[in-house]
Amino acid sequence: NAGVTQTPKFQVLKTGQSMTLQCAQDMNHNSMYWYRQDPGMGLRLIYYSASEGTTDKGEVPNGYNVSRLNKREFSLRLESAAPSQTSVYFCASLGGESVNYGYTFGSGTRLTVV
Amino acid sequence: QKEVEQDPGPLSVPEGAIVSLNCTYSNSAFQYFMWYRQYSRKGPELLMYTYSSGNKEDGRFTAQVDKSSKYISLFIRDSQPSDSATYLCAMSRPNFNKFYFGSGTKLNVKP
Repeated sequence: NAGVTQTPKFQVLKTGQSMTLQCAQDMNHNSMYWYRQDPGMGLRLIYYSASEGTTDKGEVPNGYNVSRLNKREFSLRLESAAPSQTSVYFCASLGGESVNYGYTFGSGTRLTVV
Repeated sequence: QKEVEQDPGPLSVPEGAIVSLNCTYSNSAFQYFMWYRQYSRKGPELLMYTYSSGNKEDGRFTAQVDKSSKYISLFIRDSQPSDSATYLCAMSRPNFNKFYFGSGTKLNVKP
């Protein structure tokens, strides 16, 4: 099925550990995004990539790095996880010019840092 | 001040009720307005999209934009238990490459 695929779906990390969240889309979209979602805070943009080869900081980039590996893939790395990074992480992509304009989201990664 | 404000609810209504969900915003440059629906433990999915002012209807759903008041609404007619979800508004300005989201309103439609 076409869409945005995120891996893993669940992860538990110890404080100080590192990990990479993977995201891939097969819709030939140019732009990709990483959001985190916390209760009462809504969706907050971490990083985005407007096109292959470019990345930009969003609202809450501290503690994260990203790589736009190619047009399909956009990864999010936590170098030294902290409990404040416990959240649900969503990857999204954007493309096309139709009435269906808008993000396509992945199903999320639930991350707990203990 | 956040760019987009949304009452978090929760909002609980009986089946068949008309539901009104709202967002306010501060940036007068916003032109693209969207509503996303998010079921528990799922990613958000696009529900409605409008450009600039006016109304848009799709089945039981109607989206309204009042740019003079910087206020958008989503109306759900004949609400169903399957409408129980969190609804997020989102908006952007022209030549955009990212959207600004409200915090979401949790809706519960009771059978």
